[in-house]
Amino acid sequence: EAGVAQSPRYKIIEKRQSVAFWCNPISGHATLYWYQQILGQGPKLLIQFQNNGVVDDSQLPKDRFSAERLKGVDSTLKIQPAKLEDSAVYLCASSFWPWAGQGTDTQYFGPGTRLTVL
Amino acid sequence: AQTVTQSQPEMSVQEAETVTLSCTYDTSENNYYLFWYKQPPSRQMILVIRQEAYKQQNATENRFSVNFQKAAKSFSLKISDSQLGDTAMYFCAFMNRTDSWGKLQFGAGTQVVVTP
Repeated sequence: EAGVAQSPRYKIIEKRQSVAFWCNPISGHATLYWYQQILGQGPKLLIQFQNNGVVDDSQLPKDRFSAERLKGVDSTLKIQPAKLEDSAVYLCASSFWPWAGQGTDTQYFGPGTRLTVL
Repeated sequence: AQTVTQSQPEMSVQEAETVTLSCTYDTSENNYYLFWYKQPPSRQMILVIRQEAYKQQNATENRFSVNFQKAAKSFSLKISDSQLGDTAMYFCAFMNRTDSWGKLQFGAGTQVVVTP
């Protein structure tokens, strides 16, 4: 079974530029998460999709961050314009469905994208 | 809001020895899950072990076991017979089953270094 795919693995941009990250979850997984992991910290949830609908984006800086999951499969996270403090690893995770039974809410993570903003 | 605290920034252990990582959490909820995730240098988060709060029995997965103390809100991870491949960041995480859709709240992590 293929895991969660993310691209690119690394990205370096200048501040005020825009950047986009792509995530393809495990086949059949309805739930998709984007986390931001700043160096030395644990991941923090930015946004969560259930199929193609947003169920939690309370910690997403909506003035500069946006995300979509149009067909309920893969997802794109965009930052425009980027700030120095956006330098972090962006992790995508997926799970089958919350609360459908033991283990179905286990989150599987992709390899992440390391973003450096200069 | 829930908080997860990992008070040990780094732990060093020799191969074949045992190391215990501590985690405490703060919540007023009664229905939740706890997890330990491993993040090697490749950055890919890997689930190590999970514990449902309603279960009194401590979870085990091969060389990994937890000591879950619900009243004390403590959830420690024991790695037995440590191997070089266990070198990684270890994150404790909390999932509230009452009012969230499976969101994980992570601690700051503990770096484990296994030496020959």
